[in-house]
Amino acid sequence: DGGITQSPKYLFRKEGQNVTLSCEQNLNHDAMYWYRQDPGQGLRLIYYSQIVNDFQKGDIAEGYSVSREKKESFPLTVTSAQKNPTAFYLCASRRGNTQYFGPGTRLTVL
Amino acid sequence: AQSVTQLDSHVSVSEGTPVLLRCNYSSSYSPSLFWYVQHPNKGLQLLLKYTSAATLVKGINGFEAEFKKSETSFHLTKPSAHMSDAAEYFCVVSLGDNDMRFGAGTRLTVKP
Repeated sequence: DGGITQSPKYLFRKEGQNVTLSCEQNLNHDAMYWYRQDPGQGLRLIYYSQIVNDFQKGDIAEGYSVSREKKESFPLTVTSAQKNPTAFYLCASRRGNTQYFGPGTRLTVL
Repeated sequence: AQSVTQLDSHVSVSEGTPVLLRCNYSSSYSPSLFWYVQHPNKGLQLLLKYTSAATLVKGINGFEAEFKKSETSFHLTKPSAHMSDAAEYFCVVSLGDNDMRFGAGTRLTVKP
């Protein structure tokens, strides 16, 4: 995991609430990513950012939003528009063609 | 469309016996390929990667993988399984810097 932190590790949310997941890296990487993982499936890309103040939608961006105000930080907001937000969320950063992952946040909607 | 297929959702081996986790990819060119390991409720850790150099790639913890273009395969092997190898393994193909395609994963169980 080294160099990428995600918080909190576990997060519980009531339906209708927005929630923000934190991702911080001290690897000096320009590019950062957010993925969603569901049981029995591979990772699916939500959003990515190649540089500060720029980000792009991934395959499943609906119901999510991001910001990239600092190189080190790439927070993900899960909005109430996301129909099925319960999942394991993974943040990554990239050096060259290799992505490195944080420890993940497990979000449960009650 | 380019993608990656992990042929087994679950593999069970005894401690000390060989491990084989199978991965096929579809690509019109030689892609970059990766194997990651994930322990329960943890992030993904890079095991090894192929980027068009040697076809036999050695990774961490005694794992290795062989790129076979003719078979479009990138199978992961280890000569002798250890209890600590029990985890989920993901084969990944890179279609570009911002386009990584993940297999569905193979869960490895190691019996004592």
